[in-house]
Amino acid sequence: NAGVTQTPKFQVLKTGQSMTLQCAQDMNHEYMSWYRQDPGMGLRLIHYSVGAGITDQGEVPNGYNVSRSTTEDFPLRLLSAAPSQTSVYFCASAPGGQAGNTIYFGEGSWLTVV
Amino acid sequence: EDQVTQSPEALRLQEGESSSLNCSYTVSGLRGLFWYRQDPGKGPEFLFTLYSAGEEKEKERLKATLTKKESFLHITAPKPEDSATYLCAVRMFSGGYNKLIFGAGTRLAVHP
Repeated sequence: NAGVTQTPKFQVLKTGQSMTLQCAQDMNHEYMSWYRQDPGMGLRLIHYSVGAGITDQGEVPNGYNVSRSTTEDFPLRLLSAAPSQTSVYFCASAPGGQAGNTIYFGEGSWLTVV
Repeated sequence: EDQVTQSPEALRLQEGESSSLNCSYTVSGLRGLFWYRQDPGKGPEFLFTLYSAGEEKEKERLKATLTKKESFLHITAPKPEDSATYLCAVRMFSGGYNKLIFGAGTRLAVHP
């Protein structure tokens, strides 16, 4: 019963490096999204997708790219890492084309940019 | 500005000492209010959804209530295993999609 799976769990990057955070769900959910969580702040939406081939920006999209080639996968790409992108990243999914009643979160990916 | 504010930021209780967490919101067109529990190093876990003022939901020692401006999460006779961060989020329609706005959370510590 995997649910939402994120990899890697921990990552340290140097400023300017690029990387991809992987997210996969096995619940056949249409809606997938990426959030970042910073101390003292609520979860903030980076990008979301309402189905394969459809993505859109959330509140804080700058510096991140996404794609949705399959229903199951929704990778988040950091193009040129900056210290301001040090955060905990959560992938989430929900049934239905938009954020449904219950959003299921992954375990998180801790990213440090030095 | 659409906003969700949770209070207190942190709460320390003795086992069995009941209390309430607050979530106040200023959004237009509320389409649901959600409560999540988050354990250290884990993702948020869904607890409740409330849709209209006066609605209540219960689960074990937790009861969530909703008014037009705020929601309360009441914890009755808490146990140490209730220690976690509790997140509140409101759903609204904005920019062409259903948007979730999260509060910063309340860190609850229950001591034996």
